[in-house]
Amino acid sequence: DSGVTQTPKHLITATGQRVTLRCSPRSGDLSVYWYQQSLDQGLQFLIQYYNGEERAKGNILERFSAQQFPDLHSELNLSSLELGDSALYFCASSALTSGPSGANVLTFGAGSRLTVL
Amino acid sequence: AQTVTQSQPEMSVQEAETVTLSCTYDTSESNYYLFWYKQPPSRQMILVIRQEAYKQQNATENRFSVNFQKAAKSFSLKISDSQLGDTAMYFCAFMTPFNDYKLSFGAGTTVTVRA
Repeated sequence: DSGVTQTPKHLITATGQRVTLRCSPRSGDLSVYWYQQSLDQGLQFLIQYYNGEERAKGNILERFSAQQFPDLHSELNLSSLELGDSALYFCASSALTSGPSGANVLTFGAGSRLTVL
Repeated sequence: AQTVTQSQPEMSVQEAETVTLSCTYDTSESNYYLFWYKQPPSRQMILVIRQEAYKQQNATENRFSVNFQKAAKSFSLKISDSQLGDTAMYFCAFMTPFNDYKLSFGAGTTVTVRA
């Protein structure tokens, strides 16, 4: 158990629908990252939050949105789903510190597998 | 933008032998970090090893070691005494403070350990 909890583990839905993926970061971590892993695109960074604020944005579609709540859990909302949105969605968390002691190490959750039919 | 290239889509190794995975990256930054993550069939992303660019000494974690060549922008992973549990996809990843500490991943190398 990595300490990062993602729910649901699996989700099957239809095109045009909306889903919400949830992530609870590791205790003490303030930063949450969302990644999408698909067969044709590999691992793509979507968005990052730090202590409730959006910190960085990657290749996130306008149909997707995310937020981080005061208790630091995060949700990724995917709407108007298309077949191509089928993928494994990872959440990762980190303390977002760096320095001589080491890098900003990301710890990943087990992922949420989304299948759009 | 930083790019990470893994040129070996698949590799196969006999149990107890050694395999080396290649990774090259492109950056103009001097301060950065490199990682190898392992993704077994369970799909969990597991940190294998990390290297800070300012450290000249190559990182080692048990049977896993890296060969970090900063001038060549190369970061290879050596798995010694391969075990069946090492069968997984391995991703090389790059991070820099100047890119908000986001991880940029390579395409991955699938390693199969044969009994």
